[in-house]
Amino acid sequence: ETGVTQTPRHLVMGMTNKKSLKCEQHLGHNAMYWYKQSAKKPLELMFVYNFKEQTENNSVPSRFSPECPNSSHLFLHLHTLQPEDSALYLCASSPRASGGGDEQFFGPGTRLTVL
Amino acid sequence: AQSVAQPEDQVNVAEGNPLTVKCTYSVSGNPYLFWYVQYPNRGLQFLLKYITGDNLVKGSYGFEAEFNKSQTSFHLKKPSALVSDSALYFCAVRWVYGGATNKLIFGTGTLLAVQP
Repeated sequence: ETGVTQTPRHLVMGMTNKKSLKCEQHLGHNAMYWYKQSAKKPLELMFVYNFKEQTENNSVPSRFSPECPNSSHLFLHLHTLQPEDSALYLCASSPRASGGGDEQFFGPGTRLTVL
Repeated sequence: AQSVAQPEDQVNVAEGNPLTVKCTYSVSGNPYLFWYVQYPNRGLQFLLKYITGDNLVKGSYGFEAEFNKSQTSFHLKKPSALVSDSALYFCAVRWVYGGATNKLIFGTGTLLAVQP
């Protein structure tokens, strides 16, 4: 396992529920990311945080709300989701958001199913 | 538009044979190229990257990749495949243009199946 953990690993929720995904990195990195992975599609970058500040929102619907209280923790708050939001949600971190040559370290993901 | 392509959804190879997983890219400016591997029910793991310098890059688990600027390719290779190499492989690219570093974009992935 990498130094990036995600909880829960699996989540089933109804369209009217509110839930949160949690990500924690133990690598001392300053940048954190949320990605969505759907079958047969490229990984979709959702949000980027650099030193706790959001630097990118890739046109994500407002039913997804990120929160980054410090450089080690990242949350994704979910509410009134749609079935098409079912996917694997991956968290990643890297030393800096602007570090072009920095590789990103990924967590194991949360498998989300929206009923 | 900036893009990265993995033309093969799946690559099949016999154990012990060499393997190649293809990746081509199209970006403005200088590319930074990455390969990641994803095992079932796991996140992506970094394999190797090309930033600058020697076109042949060596990475984890015996994998290597060759940066070819004229063909805009960064194919992943291994001289002798193992059954345990069976996984989903992603190519990714970032680029620097006008002094700014852009976001990492991923290919659609190639499933490598190594038969015993």
